[in-house]
Amino acid sequence: QKEVEQDPGPLSVPEGAIVSLNCTYSNSAFQYFMWYRQYSRKGPELLMYTYSSGNKEDGRFTAQVDKSSKYISLFIRDSQPSDSATYLCAPIGPYGQNFVFGPGTRLSVLP
Amino acid sequence: DAGVTQSPTHLIKTRGQQVTLRCSPKSGHDTVSWYQQALGQGPQFIFQYYEEEERQRGNFPDRFSGHQFPNYSSELNVNALLLGDSALYLCASSGPEGLYEQFFGPGTRLTVL
Repeated sequence: QKEVEQDPGPLSVPEGAIVSLNCTYSNSAFQYFMWYRQYSRKGPELLMYTYSSGNKEDGRFTAQVDKSSKYISLFIRDSQPSDSATYLCAPIGPYGQNFVFGPGTRLSVLP
Repeated sequence: DAGVTQSPTHLIKTRGQQVTLRCSPKSGHDTVSWYQQALGQGPQFIFQYYEEEERQRGNFPDRFSGHQFPNYSSELNVNALLLGDSALYLCASSGPEGLYEQFFGPGTRLTVL
């Protein structure tokens, strides 16, 4: 079993839709859960992160972690064509160790 | 405020050669991490440098080595290049106020022929 798994997509949605991006992990030691967005031919940029279980909201983005099921989600409300990118989840251990990225989900928001 | 910068942007090498990639961290950051990203894959952690020492290392062979300078900039060296080393090499920096908040550079695209 891979440490971090994501559905690679591509996921295509119409503009204005609610998008749900998901990630599962196997290492129960992970404590911080990062979401990065990567546009084509660019480096990843940090969107947001959560610590342990729970929800965190930032504008149109909501990150959700369920440590009991080792399941991470990122929700995007009112999706825009500019949200078209690859979304990478990256859980991290309690001391900043184990930098493991998922393979990413490619999202396409159609105008 | 300049973000993370990397050089060169693109590089073409042949098998068996050696390559050096460079990274300057974001202002105020003292920790530099290197990642390899194959096409269609997520970044894979190579190693991390802090205070000029390798602090953590991923599952990469000794052909991959690095260095951090007193000004916090860093180099990634890859010896005896293989075709499979063709990838985007990303540098990320973080600072004392947010070890987990890594800021990435645009990457160096390495092609090995």
